[in-house]
Amino acid sequence: DGGITQSPKYLFRKEGQNVTLSCEQNLNHDAMYWYRQDPGQGLRLIYYSQIVNDFQKGDIAEGYSVSREKKESFPLTVTSAQKNPTAFYLCASSIVGLASYNEQFFGPGTRLTVL
Amino acid sequence: AQSVAQPEDQVNVAEGNPLTVKCTYSVSGNPYLFWYVQYPNRGLQFLLKYITGDNLVKGSYGFEAEFNKSQTSFHLKKPSALVSDSALYFCAVRDRTNAGKSTFGDGTTLTVKP
Repeated sequence: DGGITQSPKYLFRKEGQNVTLSCEQNLNHDAMYWYRQDPGQGLRLIYYSQIVNDFQKGDIAEGYSVSREKKESFPLTVTSAQKNPTAFYLCASSIVGLASYNEQFFGPGTRLTVL
Repeated sequence: AQSVAQPEDQVNVAEGNPLTVKCTYSVSGNPYLFWYVQYPNRGLQFLLKYITGDNLVKGSYGFEAEFNKSQTSFHLKKPSALVSDSALYFCAVRDRTNAGKSTFGDGTTLTVKP
């Protein structure tokens, strides 16, 4: 899982709660990404950031929010507006942004379950 | 719009036999293509990528993939499968000319039986 850490590994959320997933990288990568993985489906992009203090919505951003105050950190908040948040969340990073042939490095993931 | 198709949800092979995991793609421009592997409850690990040049790309753990522009395919192959190759494999495409996002296929579960 390279130099990317995600915490916690498992997270349980009650209805109506906001929760924040942590993602930290020590690879000095410019770009960071959040994906959601559901069984039998590929990875779906939630948000991405190519530079500090800037980020863009991915394909399924509704109900999620992010910040990028530091190069090495890209936390994801799952808000109560996300109606079906139970999933496996993966954070990734890459050397340069989207217009690049560089591969992405993934963290070990956080499994979020709504009780 | 770009897309990736992995037509097989599951591939089963016997240990020692060759394996192929299929991937076809669609992009408006020229593609960058990637293969990743995922073990249970883990993140994805990069295996190999096609950028340009030689259509046969060699990657980690003895895997290789062949880029076929006319068939818009990028199938993953290995001459002799190991039980430890059993995992979930993802193909991904990125359109280099449009600076687009990566799109991932739905994944193929590879099971290698002893």
